[in-house]
Amino acid sequence: DGGITQSPKYLFRKEGQNVTLSCEQNLNHDAMYWYRQDPGQGLRLIYYSQIVNDFQKGDIAEGYSVSREKKESFPLTVTSAQKNPTAFYLCASSIMGQGNTGELFFGEGSRLTVL
Amino acid sequence: AQSVTQLGSHVSVSEGALVLLRCNYSSSVPPYLFWYVQYPNQGLQLLLKYTSAATLVKGINGFEAEFKKSETSFHLTKPSAHMSDAAEYFCAVSESNFGNEKLTFGTGTRLTIIP
Repeated sequence: DGGITQSPKYLFRKEGQNVTLSCEQNLNHDAMYWYRQDPGQGLRLIYYSQIVNDFQKGDIAEGYSVSREKKESFPLTVTSAQKNPTAFYLCASSIMGQGNTGELFFGEGSRLTVL
Repeated sequence: AQSVTQLGSHVSVSEGALVLLRCNYSSSVPPYLFWYVQYPNQGLQLLLKYTSAATLVKGINGFEAEFKKSETSFHLTKPSAHMSDAAEYFCAVSESNFGNEKLTFGTGTRLTIIP
């Protein structure tokens, strides 16, 4: 079955440590996205990538980094510079070009708790 | 620029009663509109989408939404609530833009079903 796999589902880390969240998709989608979700704030875009080896900052990119070395993979690193990293992180993908309506396909999410 | 407003961060209805979740959008061009549902600690699932075909859109689990251009609204309804409908619901908009659409989300409405 095609879909998006995020891992780990739950992650605990100490303050000051970098953390990398994995996102893999087998939908053959060109575009991939990372969102952060906090209670009452909806989804906020961290980074997105429309093509391999290229990515753009979203609305809240500070303290985060990404890479897109393969079409299928878009890992997110939460660095020690992120002031409030505890949140639920969602990875998504979409098609690009003709036929794209903006519809996103989501993974199950990763909940990061910084102690 | 596109935006979405969801009126009511929390809505409670009795089991068997009508569900109405409100969404108003702002868009400078014809929009694509979406409703997503999120169950606790999971990713978002697409309920339904409007892509400029029929203005009354039917989705999964008995939900439907009507696109009203004059009111810039895309409210979500279900005639009879079920306990399994308890979740958070997000309205989203993207602008038809030659294949480069990106979604903007509302802040979500948490639906509680009263037995």
